[in-house]
Amino acid sequence: EVQLVESGGGLVKPGGSLRLSCAASGFSFRSYSMNWVRQPPGKGLEWVASIFSTGSYTFYADSVKGRFTISRDNAKSSLYLQMNSLRAADTAVYYCASENCTNSDCFYESWGQGTLVTVSS
Amino acid sequence: QSVLTQPPSVSGAPGQRVIISCTGSSSNIGAGYDVHWYQQPPGTAPKLLIYGDTNRPSGVPDRISGSKSGTSASLAITGLQAEDEADYYCQSYDRSLSVVVFGGGTKLTVL
Repeated sequence: EVQLVESGGGLVKPGGSLRLSCAASGFSFRSYSMNWVRQPPGKGLEWVASIFSTGSYTFYADSVKGRFTISRDNAKSSLYLQMNSLRAADTAVYYCASENCTNSDCFYESWGQGTLVTVSS
Repeated sequence: QSVLTQPPSVSGAPGQRVIISCTGSSSNIGAGYDVHWYQQPPGTAPKLLIYGDTNRPSGVPDRISGSKSGTSASLAITGLQAEDEADYYCQSYDRSLSVVVFGGGTKLTVL
């Protein structure tokens, strides 16, 4: 059974930093691109960042570019999101999600339960 | 304002059929990019419901189906059940923005 378990969320002040982790099991983690998708309270889904299976390529939403860094450790089947210079607008539940693709179109096949990040003074 | 437009809410009685629309443009759905759908029951994580416009992952019942035409896509749920009450999101890719885009979500209420 595929499992994705996020951790590391919490309350942080504006301008602060936080590192999220996602522990994967039940599938060949090293074979899949992985993503972070967030959901502000009461709002919709927003893609945040993605990383290729090998970690060689990373992509970011404009809203987080230059502040967030996605990384992975395939030996530990783990995904990370380093979040710096946090803003109130970054307040959201952060989900890690595995990516699969049909042709060249990709979707999020499995999701973790999410971890809440609250940015407030 | 989401790039993909969904109705904020739909409702139906048990056993009925409901359709949730997802309207895009010539830079996403109309450009031929696939549409995918997710179901998010209250207080839980999203779950993949439909991928590649019409395909169901294993475990998703065949009373749930997806379709696409032009710049729009639809999710149909027949034989509505209480367990279908959830938020539903469509997702595609936008070539002008060069980013994955989601619809704003539709809340399905089973009356």
